Amino acid sequence: KNEVEQSPQNLTAQEGEFITINCSYSVGISALHWLQQHPGGGIVSLFMLSSGKKKHGRLIATINIQEKHSSLHITASHPRDSAVYICVETSGSRLTFGEGTQLTVNP
Amino acid sequence: GAGVSQTPSNKVTEKGKYVELRCDPISGHTALYWYRQSLGQGPEFLIYFQGTGAADDSGLPNDRFFAVRPEGSVSTLKIQRTERGDSAVYLCASSLLGGGETQYFGPGTRLLVL
Repeated sequence: KNEVEQSPQNLTAQEGEFITINCSYSVGISALHWLQQHPGGGIVSLFMLSSGKKKHGRLIATINIQEKHSSLHITASHPRDSAVYICVETSGSRLTFGEGTQLTVNP
Repeated sequence: GAGVSQTPSNKVTEKGKYVELRCDPISGHTALYWYRQSLGQGPEFLIYFQGTGAADDSGLPNDRFFAVRPEGSVSTLKIQRTERGDSAVYLCASSLLGGGETQYFGPGTRLLVL
């Protein structure tokens, strides 16, 4: 059983919609990352969180340490946001990846 | 360039052969990570280097897999007696100090074992 669970596994949205991807983890962490993987396979690190909330452009990431839960929000979604979004839990040097959420934003 | 680079970008080999995959991290980054991503799955941790030493190699699937980083910069992932199940994208990442810092990923090497 993966210690990092993401939901939903697949998400299809219309351009402009507000999107939320959730991540739950089971152990204490030093940080949590959100990654974006493009269709070609390239991976971009979006956020690293250890508490609270971070915002970058239309992307917002939040984390609740007590509930062991993080969310990634995309406002005013666009087709170029279509990608796989992966939640990664880090505890020291050990990393555990979620299985990813495939997001498709249709024009 | 200033990012993480990996070579080759694609590798096709026959079952039973030996392969080497190379990773050039960002200059000055002390931590280097190898991951494997099979089709339709998230990346899977293989090994983490801090400097020249493997700080955590618990993700290596078996003794056919070995990685080195002799001078604390470039790393080579070596796979002996390749099997079809080794086919995957092998990703390398580096970070400045390690721990929970942001990791910067390379483009990956796509390995296909026939």
